[in-house]
Amino acid sequence: AQSVTQLDSHVSVSEGTPVLLRCNYSSSYSPSLFWYVQHPNKGLQLLLKYTSAATLVKGINGFEAEFKKSETSFHLTKPSAHMSDAAEYFCVVSQAGTALIFGKGTTLSVSS
Amino acid sequence: NAGVTQTPKFRVLKTGQSMTLLCAQDMNHEYMYWYRQDPGMGLRLIHYSVGEGTTAKGEVPDGYNVSRLKKQNFLLGLESAAPSQTSVYFCASSYSAQGYQPQHFGDGTRLSIL
Repeated sequence: AQSVTQLDSHVSVSEGTPVLLRCNYSSSYSPSLFWYVQHPNKGLQLLLKYTSAATLVKGINGFEAEFKKSETSFHLTKPSAHMSDAAEYFCVVSQAGTALIFGKGTTLSVSS
Repeated sequence: NAGVTQTPKFRVLKTGQSMTLLCAQDMNHEYMYWYRQDPGMGLRLIHYSVGEGTTAKGEVPDGYNVSRLKKQNFLLGLESAAPSQTSVYFCASSYSAQGYQPQHFGDGTRLSIL
């Protein structure tokens, strides 16, 4: 069975400092992995996706994530946080023919 | 680019009332989904559709019905609303069920049941 665990429910950073949002997954087969972002009162927007090509995936707004099979992890990073990055972030796992499995979300707060 | 449009955006119901949430997509996607989002729970799949005229149950289908009479529309119905159905409802669509295909989301419907 697939599952995804976001290790932090809330992360706080200062503007200009690095961001690390942690995600571990469990999957019987080679999964596809996604990070989505949700700004207040908005729907979910795709940040990036991993689909068994390069293990380092670059997304929008300077975010990237690294797929590490040995650690079953897919952590999201950004070198320098902006105030506009404050939002909720979801790590998602998928296999062909099945629905998306969402993590419970990580709220990112950015202070000036 | 409208993408996925949900109506209404907000609604307050009394227990026992019924209502229908409408989702429309203009991307010619085959697959459509209804999720509910509750605090600390992520998104949970209610029902989904793999094409016009088809529907299937997801993780939390009880108390909901759906219909997909037209490819571009996916309706979610609550026949007798209960306070436990207070939530934010998201519709999504995707080109196929291939695992690498991302889903595209609407902005949500915020539903309160009193």
